[in-house]
Amino acid sequence: NAGVTQTPKFQVLKTGQSMTLQCAQDMNHEYMSWYRQDPGMGLRLIHYSVGAGITDQGEVPNGYNVSRSTTEDFPLRLLSAAPSQTSVYFCASRPGAASGYNEQFFGPGTRLTVL
Amino acid sequence: AQSVTQLGSHVSVSEGALVLLRCNYSSSVPPYLFWYVQYPNQGLQLLLKYTTGATLVKGINGFEAEFKKSETSFHLTKPSAHMSDAAEYFCAVSDTGYGNNRLAFGKGNQVVVIP
Repeated sequence: NAGVTQTPKFQVLKTGQSMTLQCAQDMNHEYMSWYRQDPGMGLRLIHYSVGAGITDQGEVPNGYNVSRSTTEDFPLRLLSAAPSQTSVYFCASRPGAASGYNEQFFGPGTRLTVL
Repeated sequence: AQSVTQLGSHVSVSEGALVLLRCNYSSSVPPYLFWYVQYPNQGLQLLLKYTTGATLVKGINGFEAEFKKSETSFHLTKPSAHMSDAAEYFCAVSDTGYGNNRLAFGKGNQVVVIP
């Protein structure tokens, strides 16, 4: 299993540009999430999904969009990039609640810089 | 909503000395508690977790943590620090309710090991 994969590893954008951060998992996990990590702030939840076709907002959703058309993929879209979105982005997945297993598995991260 | 407090963003410890990282949580329901470690330029790796049962939890790399409900704490310890323990450590809490995928992180402790 590859686990949770993220592409790209690094990205530089100009203010106003849009882009999609890709996230995929091959563990058949129901739940997937996007977090951003900023110095001194820990990880903050952006959006999450409890299954294909179901998404919800987290703590800091503004400026981001998500969709979940398949179990495997959970892309994060930046609609119009701003310097405040410079951050490291982590995707995570975990099995559904019925499994009784609550550990989240994290991808390697995408380091995004917005100029 | 659940939350986590980690005091002291930077923690210095001498090689061979006790490592103690404090974590206090707030949750309206019985929590699941986690410690993650992040090495430079890498994703998050699970150190240990508490879900139910024994309150003293042992994890990887010689770390352990004790869940104390009366103190709403989940402090992380290791008896003897090693140079390889230099990393950032995050405490996280998740509600136990079904369908929940909201993992709240503390702001992290950057551990420096002094030779």
